[in-house]
Amino acid sequence: GENVEQHPSTLSVQEGDSAVIKCTYSDSASNYFPWYKQELGKRPQLIIDIRSNVGEKKDQRIAVTLNKTAKHFSLHITETQPEDSAVYFCASQKGFKTIFGAGTRLFVKA
Amino acid sequence: GAGVSQSPRYKVTKRGQDVALRCDPISGHVSLYWYRQALGQGPEFLTYFNYEAQQDKSGLPNDRFSAERPEGSISTLTIQRTEQRDSAMYRCASSDSSNTGELFFGEGSRLTVL
Repeated sequence: GENVEQHPSTLSVQEGDSAVIKCTYSDSASNYFPWYKQELGKRPQLIIDIRSNVGEKKDQRIAVTLNKTAKHFSLHITETQPEDSAVYFCASQKGFKTIFGAGTRLFVKA
Repeated sequence: GAGVSQSPRYKVTKRGQDVALRCDPISGHVSLYWYRQALGQGPEFLTYFNYEAQQDKSGLPNDRFSAERPEGSISTLTIQRTEQRDSAMYRCASSDSSNTGELFFGEGSRLTVL
């Protein structure tokens, strides 16, 4: 079945620096790649997504890139702020099933 | 309601007891999912409903786990003869589309089996 690997598991950056989280997926038929943010004690919430016919998407300080050939996708957060501290999950979807990565715990130090 | 509602939020039970976890999805959402999330891990797929039809139950760990959504709205995940390894956060999510759509998660039901 589909497998999603996510790196790093923990990331610590200084406020204002950029953060990059990388994921790989195994099923080439996957066609939708969402990213979810989960704050401590809260539910996961979608922050950005990308579809397989698009290579890059940006929304203010966050951007996602997709390399279908290599089956890689990444989340980029620029000008990080303390409120960006959370766990971020990448995911891939084929049909109705969404498979999640193990998560990256991001710490933004003020 | 405005969001996905789950109950109970917390459940502590003794090994061997049955538990039932309830999910009330966002009104009108045809797709409903159950996930299990261990501490420090990503959500793990358990099962999927399209309206009342359970279209995939491949993620259910064993036959002690079952789920239903009889009227295409509220769903119940039942765990029979609970074991300590069943302890986890159980999250329900709903979506207005079965393909390439945002999942709206509930707050989850945290199950502790003693």
